[in-house]
Amino acid sequence: GAVVSQHPSRVICKSGTSVKIECRSLDFQATTMFWYRQFPKQSLMLMATSNEGSKATYEQGVEKDKFLINHASLTLSTLTVTSAHPEDSSFYICSARDRLAGATGELFFGEGSRLTVL
Amino acid sequence: KQEVTQIPAALSVPEGENLVLNCSFTDSAIYNLQWFRQDPGKGLTSLLLIQSSQREQTSGRLNASLDKSSGRSTLYIAASQPGDSATYLCAVQSSNDYKLSFGAGTTVTVRA
Repeated sequence: GAVVSQHPSRVICKSGTSVKIECRSLDFQATTMFWYRQFPKQSLMLMATSNEGSKATYEQGVEKDKFLINHASLTLSTLTVTSAHPEDSSFYICSARDRLAGATGELFFGEGSRLTVL
Repeated sequence: KQEVTQIPAALSVPEGENLVLNCSFTDSAIYNLQWFRQDPGKGLTSLLLIQSSQREQTSGRLNASLDKSSGRSTLYIAASQPGDSATYLCAVQSSNDYKLSFGAGTTVTVRA
């Protein structure tokens, strides 16, 4: 099946620093990638939709300036948590869909990134 | 707004027993429904994708049914094994905005 690679898997940082998380589709191209946040024992919450070559679309309540998304190529999207604070500690997961599968094709997920802000 | 509910929240069964996991959704305007598996601290692994026009999908010991009109899907796992222990999530893709809505998951423990 299709593979989505996410890096780093774990990151610990000090409050006030910025952290970048990468999401790569390894064997397919994705014009659209999605970033989710998951709290313990809760469902995944969509944060934003990352569009290759254009601005990301953010969900209501998600701060654009706090969570910077860049989708510079058909295989890479990055999420940067700027000026991180302890409340940003969470599990962040990206997903992607093969552009050839269309908007309703199967969605593949990365392994997730555990962010801990001290 | 689409709401997805999974019942039960947790399930513990002895090895060899069949598993039945339920997923319900409030808005039947969907393109598809997807079942995922999530191991602790890991991402999601896609198990089955059912298009809205389909009634069921099968893969090995897994079978998922979809009744779009009543807003329900069921995931059956036959002859469970300890390796099936994980959290199972269902997600529906809205035909209004293409977005996925997830349930909170059912955490399964299969006892050896």
